[in-house]
Amino acid sequence: GESVGLHLPTLSVQEGDNSIINCAYSNSASDYFIWYKQESGKGPQFIIDIRSNMDKRQGQRVTVLLNKTVKHLSLQIAATQPGDSAVYFCAEGYNKLIFGAGTRLAVHP
Amino acid sequence: ETGVTQTPRHLVMGMTNKKSLKCEQHLGHNAMYWYKQSAKKPLELMFVYSLEERVENNSVPSRFSPECPNSSHLFLHLHTLQPEDSALYLCASSPTETGEHYGYTFGSGTRLTVV
Repeated sequence: GESVGLHLPTLSVQEGDNSIINCAYSNSASDYFIWYKQESGKGPQFIIDIRSNMDKRQGQRVTVLLNKTVKHLSLQIAATQPGDSAVYFCAEGYNKLIFGAGTRLAVHP
Repeated sequence: ETGVTQTPRHLVMGMTNKKSLKCEQHLGHNAMYWYKQSAKKPLELMFVYSLEERVENNSVPSRFSPECPNSSHLFLHLHTLQPEDSALYLCASSPTETGEHYGYTFGSGTRLTVV
């Protein structure tokens, strides 16, 4: 069946380093992908999205890469800051969104 | 504030109690959702409403009863819950339920504890 999964449950990085969070998806018909950030005590917040006709999209300090050949999505965070510590979810969408389990990003000083 | 407001933020209830969760959105969205978030599990879709009509019910036990009186408000009525129902309940909204996607906007959730 459809599934969205994350390769690493926890990622620890040093402040100032770049972070890469990965996600695999299985539905080749998915045409829309989103990354969400969820801080403790809050609901998921939209970070960046990408449609299937693109392979890269950049935001402020974040970049999403889409590889449709291997059904892989990644989120890159440049110059990671303590405020980036959170759980990050990927989601794939066709008629509705399907969410992955989440990766916890821990930023150390 | 995301534009989606959930109340209460925290709720402790006994297994024989009846309570309701409330969600309100001021984004002009036509679709609203209830999700359950348990520890170490992906977000679980419970209910979808589009233009006040329920369009999806993901095999949710009848002790959870949704209500959507208008496109801005969504309720989740709770009765005779079980301890395993303790979780973070998230409400979300989106411009449309199908077709072109713009992502979902989530509220901050209600942390429910069933004792």
